[in-house]
Amino acid sequence: GAVVSQHPSWVICKSGTSVKIECRSLDFQATTMFWYRQFPKQSLMLMATSNEGSKATYEQGVEKDKFLINHASLTLSTLTVTSAHPEDSSFYICSARVAWTALVVYGYTFGSGTRLTVV
Amino acid sequence: QQQVKQSPQSLIVQKGGISIINCAYENTAFDYFPWYQQFPGKGPALLIAIRPDVSEKKEGRFTISFNKSAKQFSLHIMDSQPGDSATYFCAATDNYGQNFVFGPGTRLSVLP
Repeated sequence: GAVVSQHPSWVICKSGTSVKIECRSLDFQATTMFWYRQFPKQSLMLMATSNEGSKATYEQGVEKDKFLINHASLTLSTLTVTSAHPEDSSFYICSARVAWTALVVYGYTFGSGTRLTVV
Repeated sequence: QQQVKQSPQSLIVQKGGISIINCAYENTAFDYFPWYQQFPGKGPALLIAIRPDVSEKKEGRFTISFNKSAKQFSLHIMDSQPGDSATYFCAATDNYGQNFVFGPGTRLSVLP
């Protein structure tokens, strides 16, 4: 259980265009989803936290007008990279907080990631 | 105080050897310590996790050792295999899943 499906797994787009990445929680309701960016050989960098039905909270230094996050339902959150440029090329990963009900502990489950290349 | 420190940054181990990755934290509110395994081009996957009420947890070849007084925890991979070659992240969060923090990661290479 607790699977997050992310797609596309990779996308190539032209500079100046917009790209949408989707994350769906398949067997649970994700009231909160997180979006990360990962550069090669580095750890995950939290970009923003999205809560269902409300505006996303962005981390310092992340342009909210460039990285649009929508969390319109309990099972779907989207990240749209607007007017993409080569420097936006990266690996984007979503995650959701899940209650591991057996222990009543909140853990995180991750999507499989999206490799964005802007040419 | 929100940081989780992780070492080594990279690790090379011979097949059959023991891989050891160490993490340390400062925030005493952290209550759940998962380890994630990430293969290239994939998202992190939960490997094993521990809570502070136990000092050790073992699942197959993977063991977490936890030292609450020292605020340190470590991952031991016994009988390391080439298929274990990946990046490993320790993490920490409080009991409600807030303030989730990743360590910087350890790139493990297991030589055949």
